Amino acid sequence: AQKITQTQPGMFVQEKEAVTLDCTYDTSDPSYGLFWYKQPSSGEMIFLIYQGSYDQQNATEGRYSLNFQKARKSANLVISASQLGDSAMYFCAMREYSNYQLIWGAGTKLIIKP
Amino acid sequence: SAVISQKPSRDICQRGTSLTIQCQVDSQVTMMFWYRQQPGQSLTLIATANQGSEATYESGFVIDKFPISRPNLTFSTLTVSNMSPEDSSIYLCSVEAGSGPYNEQFFGPGTRLTVL
Repeated sequence: AQKITQTQPGMFVQEKEAVTLDCTYDTSDPSYGLFWYKQPSSGEMIFLIYQGSYDQQNATEGRYSLNFQKARKSANLVISASQLGDSAMYFCAMREYSNYQLIWGAGTKLIIKP
Repeated sequence: SAVISQKPSRDICQRGTSLTIQCQVDSQVTMMFWYRQQPGQSLTLIATANQGSEATYESGFVIDKFPISRPNLTFSTLTVSNMSPEDSSIYLCSVEAGSGPYNEQFFGPGTRLTVL
């Protein structure tokens, strides 16, 4: 069974608008971490934000925030005031306490329109 | 954080040949990871390389096809052997950095491989 699901293969968003990228996950491990990465067309994977399963507050990093809904097992990435440079692939990933591996979603291709 | 470099950044190779990809980290790390990303796909872990021991390969990947070296705590190589067009992918190395229970992985810029 898929452990990380990103249901949006692609999204078009107008510049300066906020955008939400969906991520749901499945795990029986009570302790885990959730990550978002950005991959521009150059191919590099850029770490954006992290949320721990026991964190009380939603994580924020500049224009990025993570809408963490533990009961729903969702960890959506919110990008405020989108910019043309935000156009890229975005991957959600999870690491369970019992496993050192990162489990990856299929990704969402985000295109920001001027 | 960690700064990671990879060589080469891209290559075009002929079927049946081999390519060795180098990964250099600016700090000492215990675990290094090698990923493959086929066109339009997500990342797939090939193997985990620990210094001083054999690499641990994931299901579907074997040492004869993807031999890995890890001679010290800052360097690793991945060889893609006897290449076929199906090996055309981006190959990425990564490391964990930090002291928490769930440290983010930092990635190198990737090696974009095309096999003709």
